[in-house]
Amino acid sequence: SAVISQKPSRDICQRGTSLTIQCQVDSQVTMMFWYRQQPGQSLTLIATANQGSEATYESGFVIDKFPISRPNLTFSTLTVSNMSPEDSSIYLCSVAGGPGSVDTQYFGPGTRLTVL
Amino acid sequence: GENVEQHPSTLSVQEGDSAVIKCTYSDSASNYFPWYKQELGKRPQLIIDIRSNVGEKKDQRIAVTLNKTAKHFSLHITETQPEDSAVYFCAANRAGGSTLGRLYFGRGTQLTVWP
Repeated sequence: SAVISQKPSRDICQRGTSLTIQCQVDSQVTMMFWYRQQPGQSLTLIATANQGSEATYESGFVIDKFPISRPNLTFSTLTVSNMSPEDSSIYLCSVAGGPGSVDTQYFGPGTRLTVL
Repeated sequence: GENVEQHPSTLSVQEGDSAVIKCTYSDSASNYFPWYKQELGKRPQLIIDIRSNVGEKKDQRIAVTLNKTAKHFSLHITETQPEDSAVYFCAANRAGGSTLGRLYFGRGTQLTVWP
């Protein structure tokens, strides 16, 4: 499976600021996704990061709040903008469509965000 | 879109017993059903998956069964060990279209294995 890294692993931020999370994969993948997971909860898909075009956002998530970039097939960023304490969560990237598989999805280690 | 229901939300078993987690899905076009294990503070890890062209798949103590007619699939863990304690998530994909590759997750099952 692909090796996925995320930066930062954790951060504590002030209300009103923005944080950009990076996701790097060691091989080219077709699909990259961004999820949010609040404590004790399931995985909520924020958006699909599309290479070379605008991300596809799920209901309840908007580009102004969660701008996403995907400049190539191995890298993506998620920005959490104008943060509030409600944005405190774990943010995970996942990838699919690596060598040998279309659907199999693997997760990065996550970024634990605390907003004060 | 797809709706995945998962039961039970918590499950406690004695070491050595079996554990079964069940999920149902709504979209008959779904054709890929992975299971993830998430230990506390760790990322979800794929433990087994099944595609709609088979009814059962085994990997050592773990098995998954799929009933396409009833649109449900189950995770079976035999001879449970304390290290099996974790949250387990089922998921289903949506085949084709702009949501290719997208997974829909169940709410998770907290499995506790008592020594």
